[in-house]
Amino acid sequence: DTAVSQTPKYLVTQMGNDKSIKCEQNLGHDTMYWYKQDSKKFLKIMFSYNNKELIINETVPNRFSPKSPDKAHLNLHINSLELGDSAVYFCASSQGAGSYEQYFGPGTRLTVT
Amino acid sequence: AQSVTQLGSHVSVSEGALVLLRCNYSSSVPPYLFWYVQYPNQGLQLLLKYTTGATLVKGINGFEAEFKKSETSFHLTKPSAHMSDAAEYFCAVENSGGSNYKLTFGKGTLLTVNP
Repeated sequence: DTAVSQTPKYLVTQMGNDKSIKCEQNLGHDTMYWYKQDSKKFLKIMFSYNNKELIINETVPNRFSPKSPDKAHLNLHINSLELGDSAVYFCASSQGAGSYEQYFGPGTRLTVT
Repeated sequence: AQSVTQLGSHVSVSEGALVLLRCNYSSSVPPYLFWYVQYPNQGLQLLLKYTTGATLVKGINGFEAEFKKSETSFHLTKPSAHMSDAAEYFCAVENSGGSNYKLTFGKGTLLTVNP
């Protein structure tokens, strides 16, 4: 059973388009995250939700909008895609906010042309 | 603000040799420290973490790390490298307490293991 799953795994799209990435966890965790990993492998947190409430909102363009319909799902919608949005996006979850282990999904490689 | 510095973006060792991956952190409060591993085309997986208590922490796959407050370091070691250890390794810090539960990652160290 996959603990944290993301769809799609690959996403190729043109500048200006709007796209969504979906994430689901079946671990019963309360906290979920979105990370962006750039081409140099640098990993940076974008958002975090705890019990469907936004608790971390880093300096991210407002073209990026997370949505958590329930504790098991955290989706990421991106408007007006730009070349610089090309990256691998990872979803993660943890038992709670704090020193808990984060479980990462397999990533979504977004390529904007 | 918290930060993590991983010395050496690429470390190469021979199979059976000691693995040492360096991590230094800065944090205004006692930190929680983590090492994650990323195998090619996969997500990250926790190797080990330090929160409180014993400063020598043992993790999976034979890895361990020692928290040294005086040196603000959390270096990762493994006595004998295996080919399957080849991966990207990330050190991360999180501030204990408060409401800032953000993990800040280092830039990663790519470990290659030569036969």
